[in-house]
Amino acid sequence: DIVMTQSPDSLAVSLGERATINCKSSQTVLYSSTNKNSLTWYQQKPGQPPKLLIYWASTRESGVPDRFSGSGSGTDFTLTISSLQAEDVAVYYCQQYYSTPLTFGGGTKVEIK
Amino acid sequence: EVQLVESGGGVVQPGGSLRLSCAASGFTFSSYFMHWVRQAPGKGPVWVSRVSSDGSSTTYADSVKGRFTISRDNAKNTLYLQMNSLRAEDTAVYYCVCYGSGRGYWGQGTLVSVSS
Repeated sequence: DIVMTQSPDSLAVSLGERATINCKSSQTVLYSSTNKNSLTWYQQKPGQPPKLLIYWASTRESGVPDRFSGSGSGTDFTLTISSLQAEDVAVYYCQQYYSTPLTFGGGTKVEIK
Repeated sequence: EVQLVESGGGVVQPGGSLRLSCAASGFTFSSYFMHWVRQAPGKGPVWVSRVSSDGSSTTYADSVKGRFTISRDNAKNTLYLQMNSLRAEDTAVYYCVCYGSGRGYWGQGTLVSVSS
């Protein structure tokens, strides 16, 4: 199974400041045939299902504000919120869909400082 | 627009059974693998099971193997999860999820509570 390790567990950032979340997979999630990473980032607020933010590690889902960006390849990935807004308070998860079982990071709780 | 609507959750005693359903619309259901993912209260999501597009191949997490059965009816655009021998640790919100073109589409979930 591919183990996804997220850091930090929680993060407190001032409004308008940058938030950075890291995700490391225990093996590559890069498909060599397509040169695409099977890595998604989700945002989850209480009582709601996870909301897709980023897929293929760096492609922003339609309607997601451009302050959210994803980067990385292979085994190391980053989600960046360039200017934190109040509505971004949530738990963020990375997830690989390179192989079954699909696996998730442990989550990063983002709060306002 | 992709829509996934789960139903069938509820309260059940340990050892009991439930059958979850997921009605799909807005995409060609029969073309995609489908998954069940669950999330216990206060915890992160955990993958449960997967079924191939034609239903011929299934995969399960070790924690549910032998107790849960995933299936689908492509004529009805519906995914199922038969859950038997339920345990307290199966308490969670259960989501059906479709992955297409790198995106994951999730339903709103249905709550299963196993309690005496």
